[in-house]
Amino acid sequence: NAGVMQNPRHLVRRRGQEARLRCSPMKGHSHVYWYRQLPEEGLKFMVYLQKENIIDESGMPKERFSAEFPKEGPSILRIQQVVRGDSAAYFCASSPRSSLAGEQETQYFGPGTRLLVL
Amino acid sequence: QKEVEQNSGPLSVPEGAIASLNCTYSDRGSQSFFWYRQYSGKSPELIMFIYSNGDKEDGRFTAQLNKASQYVSLLIRDSQPSDSATYLCAVKGYSSASKIIFGSGTRLSIRP
Repeated sequence: NAGVMQNPRHLVRRRGQEARLRCSPMKGHSHVYWYRQLPEEGLKFMVYLQKENIIDESGMPKERFSAEFPKEGPSILRIQQVVRGDSAAYFCASSPRSSLAGEQETQYFGPGTRLLVL
Repeated sequence: QKEVEQNSGPLSVPEGAIASLNCTYSDRGSQSFFWYRQYSGKSPELIMFIYSNGDKEDGRFTAQLNKASQYVSLLIRDSQPSDSATYLCAVKGYSSASKIIFGSGTRLSIRP
């Protein structure tokens, strides 16, 4: 059973370009979460998605950022018109389902995408 | 007040000793609690989860939860140099739609 997959692992963009980050959850997992981590800082929640639905996007900047998790294919985090401050590690995590308690809600992380904006 | 608070460290512990990592949280309705380990440049990996008051043991790791005090801790017995990492505490609210909130992590250094 493959783990959470993210690609690309490293992405370099110039200011003003678009960045597309992909995440394929673990097999059988229908919940995807995106986090951003700046160097020497903790994980900051961005968005929580189920297939074709955004459940919670309270951590997502209002402009330039969007996320989707289509019926088929990976989840996509899209950053338009990137700026230097977007440089960070972006982690995706998946879980089988979000229940009240227990192992079913444990999140498993992908290897991350390191975005560098020049 | 941060939703999940951890001492950033670094916490330095001699090899073979017990490392104690602490975490407090603000949402009294929180139900599920997780400890993740993150090596530098790597992604977080789950160590343990706990959702009942008391202790939960897994090998050299023990998670302790006290909901009345809104406090969760992780003990690492017989610390090894390979335990040197940042440890992230994470907390989930009651609702099935609640997101997991991560603390900023405690850096642990095991000195030989």
